[in-house]
Amino acid sequence: DTGVSQDPRHKITKRGQNVTFRCDPISEHNRLYWYRQTLGQGPEFLTYFQNEAQLEKSRLLSDRFSAERPKGSFSTLEIQRTEQGDSAMYLCASSPIGGGDPNQPQHFGDGTRLSIL
Amino acid sequence: KQEVTQIPAALSVPEGENLVLNCSFTDSAIYNLQWFRQDPGKGLTSLLLIQSSQREQTSGRLNASLDKSSGRSTLYIAASQPGDSATYLCAVRGSSNTGKLIFGQGTTLQVKP
Repeated sequence: DTGVSQDPRHKITKRGQNVTFRCDPISEHNRLYWYRQTLGQGPEFLTYFQNEAQLEKSRLLSDRFSAERPKGSFSTLEIQRTEQGDSAMYLCASSPIGGGDPNQPQHFGDGTRLSIL
Repeated sequence: KQEVTQIPAALSVPEGENLVLNCSFTDSAIYNLQWFRQDPGKGLTSLLLIQSSQREQTSGRLNASLDKSSGRSTLYIAASQPGDSATYLCAVRGSSNTGKLIFGQGTTLQVKP
């Protein structure tokens, strides 16, 4: 168990550019979540996958955002035409599904900090 | 719509004090509540998870309680140490179908040596 891994740790880009982040969950964790955290606030839910299926998307996830989990393992989050308001920490979390028990803690990665110039 | 509030936003205490962090939520229909710790520039580390049927959970110097009917949880830290300095976040899980967490804004704790 090497934990949830996110890459890159930091991304600085100019407004209008596209960016892509990667998340590698803990192996055998079926569920993968993306959250966004702005300074001084708690994380806000963006979307989640169960295996390769994207089952829920927040209204925060505008049409400039897209997430994939093609083989049910790693996931990518892409932001197109970045805006100043996209500057935030993007956190990924994973959890198992154990015998139908919903009380499985989510394990978080260290996040990708995005700064838009 | 579920809303989670944490009070106070910031807390500074001398080393060795016992302290309580508060979390309140508006919808009592939750599956569980989780307390996290976040160090600056880092991700979240899970501290304790309390199932909706439980009243409290303990891990070392940490004790978390849950009163679902009143929509409140507390995190008790005994004999605080400078290494406890961090932001503490509580999050509720409202549905087993999605598992998404609704977070409070966090309480930033500073323990002075």
